[in-house]
Amino acid sequence: QKEVEQNSGPLSVPEGAIASLNCTYSDRGSQSFFWYRQYSGKSPELIMSIYSNGDKEDGRFTAQLNKASQYVSLLIRDSQPSDSATYLCAVRSQNFVFGPGTRLSVLP
Amino acid sequence: NAGVTQTPKFQVLKTGQSMTLQCAQDMNHNSMYWYRQDPGMGLRLIYYSASEGTTDKGEVPNGYNVSRLNKREFSLRLESAAPSQTSVYFCASSERSGRQFFYGYTFGSGTRLTVV
Repeated sequence: QKEVEQNSGPLSVPEGAIASLNCTYSDRGSQSFFWYRQYSGKSPELIMSIYSNGDKEDGRFTAQLNKASQYVSLLIRDSQPSDSATYLCAVRSQNFVFGPGTRLSVLP
Repeated sequence: NAGVTQTPKFQVLKTGQSMTLQCAQDMNHNSMYWYRQDPGMGLRLIYYSASEGTTDKGEVPNGYNVSRLNKREFSLRLESAAPSQTSVYFCASSERSGRQFFYGYTFGSGTRLTVV
């Protein structure tokens, strides 16, 4: 059974702080890794993808991948109340496997 | 710029009734997927179609059937609805090519189904 695990949260951070979201996966054959943001009552929206070990930055978002440790993380700098959502980690080998999501709450 | 369109957005069924959820994408994607999302369970794959003319079971296929009508459309049918099928259903599509692993999913807006 291929698994993706995330802390369900809620993770609460004050506005302007760095939010750190973590994800571990079990399938060493996984080739690509994605972070989705899902607002309450809405569909998941792709915000970051990463394929190689190291960091990938896009605006306030940084994805980090460590294949040896089988983990991927998402950092959100200067967190805003509008970042409050559930963040889904997805790992792709043949198909996608999604984690259960971490609920982030950014407090004004 | 419609992306992935799902209908209906909301539905209430009685136990034993049947219905079909419709999904269409206009991005010329080869692969299409049906997921259900339940609290605490995350997104679980019901069925997928890697390309036109093919369908395969996912993690939770029991009680469902699918049809890949053409490259654009992929429908999900509940033949005899049960309360355990109360969920939010998402259709998604993705590119599938030699570089398939680099592409994420595009999701539809979801169908909120309640079976009473």
